[in-house]
This record gives sequence, C-alpha cells and structure tokens, in this order.
Amino acid sequence: GAVVSQHPSRVICKSGTSVKIECRSLDFQATTMFWYRQFPKQSLMLMATSNEGSKATYEQGVEKDKFLINHASLTLSTLTVTSAHPEDSSFYICSASGAGGLSDTQYFGPGTRLTVL
Amino acid sequence: SQQGEEDPQALSIQEGENATMNCSYKTSINNLQWYRQNSGRGLVHLILIRSNEREKHSGRLRVTLDTSKKSSSLLITASRAADTASYFCATYNTNAGKSTFGDGTTLTVKP
Repeated sequence: GAVVSQHPSRVICKSGTSVKIECRSLDFQATTMFWYRQFPKQSLMLMATSNEGSKATYEQGVEKDKFLINHASLTLSTLTVTSAHPEDSSFYICSASGAGGLSDTQYFGPGTRLTVL
Repeated sequence: SQQGEEDPQALSIQEGENATMNCSYKTSINNLQWYRQNSGRGLVHLILIRSNEREKHSGRLRVTLDTSKKSSSLLITASRAADTASYFCATYNTNAGKSTFGDGTTLTVKP
C-alpha cells in the first residue's frame, strides 16, 4: 500500500516552454503533498508543501510564479515549471502523506528528470 | 544548518563487510527514516524508526536512534555489490508536517 506515481518519468524540452509533472497517490488519500528538487550528487531540497484545496506553501527562495503547484484532489498534485530554462534541469520528486496511520511519514514517487535544452 | 546530516559523505567497502552510516539532527523529531537512492532513480524507503524506539531491524539492516544525542545510525551487514547507492536519512516532525533530508552517504560496495 501507499504507492505514489509520477508522470512523466523523463522530459526533455526547449528553453521557454512550460512543463507539467503529475503526482498521484494510487491507493490512499493524500492530504498533503510535497515537491522536492534534487540536483546531481546533492540531497533533496523541499520546494513546497500543498494541502488539498489550499494554496501551496513555498520554501524560502522558491519562486511560486515559476513553479506552479496545484493540489486539486486528494490523489493528484501537479507541478508546472513555467518558462523553463536550462538551470531548471533537475530531478523532481513528489511525496505524499495521508490521514491517520499514514500521517507520520511521506511516501515518495519515483521522480521526474527534467532536461531543458 | 540542515537537519539530518549524514556521515561519512562517502564510504567504500568490500563485499561482505559491514557498512555503518550515521545521521545527526538538531531539532525534535517524531520519526526518522532511512532511504536508498540508486543513481538517477527515485527513493526507496528502508526503515522508519519512531522517537520512542531505540533500534529496529529489517533483514540485513539495523537502525538505531539515540534521541538524547540526536543521532541515528544505519548498519548494513554482509554488504553486497547491489547495496551500492546513496543513503539518506530524513527527520519528520509532526508540527512541521514535513520531512527534512540530510546530504546523504554514497556507499560503494566493491565485488
């Protein structure tokens, strides 16, 4: 149980385009979803936290107009990288936590590798 | 400073040897989790240890938690080449409602 999927797993795009990444909780209701970014050989850095139906809370230094997060349902959150540039190339990982017994841990998706040319 | 700092940053051992990685943190936690990440892949959850627990086992993995020292260790016994990966600890605080990751330890197990 507690499976999280991400789509796409890999995306290559031209500079200036926008890219949407989906994160889904497959077998539980995700009351909270998290988006992380990981540069090569570095740790995961939290970008934002979102609760279903609410605006996302962004970490310091993360541009909310650049990284649009929508958590419209209890099983889906999306991250849109707007006007992507090469420096946005990174590994983006989402995670989700649920209610009750699923509230004290985060379940991670497999990640999406974004390459901006 | 970042919560959840691992040491060593890199560890290289021979197959069959044990590998020990440490994680230190600064604030109170509700649980601590260890993850493995193979190069270019997502995270695989290994073990969760709660703040009221001192030790947990899972197969060849043994995790300890010392809340007085704000530290945890991950021991992999009888290592295999397939254990080669990066290992991260993540501390979870219910009040904060999120996990914070350390910098990770890169483990190389030579066959």
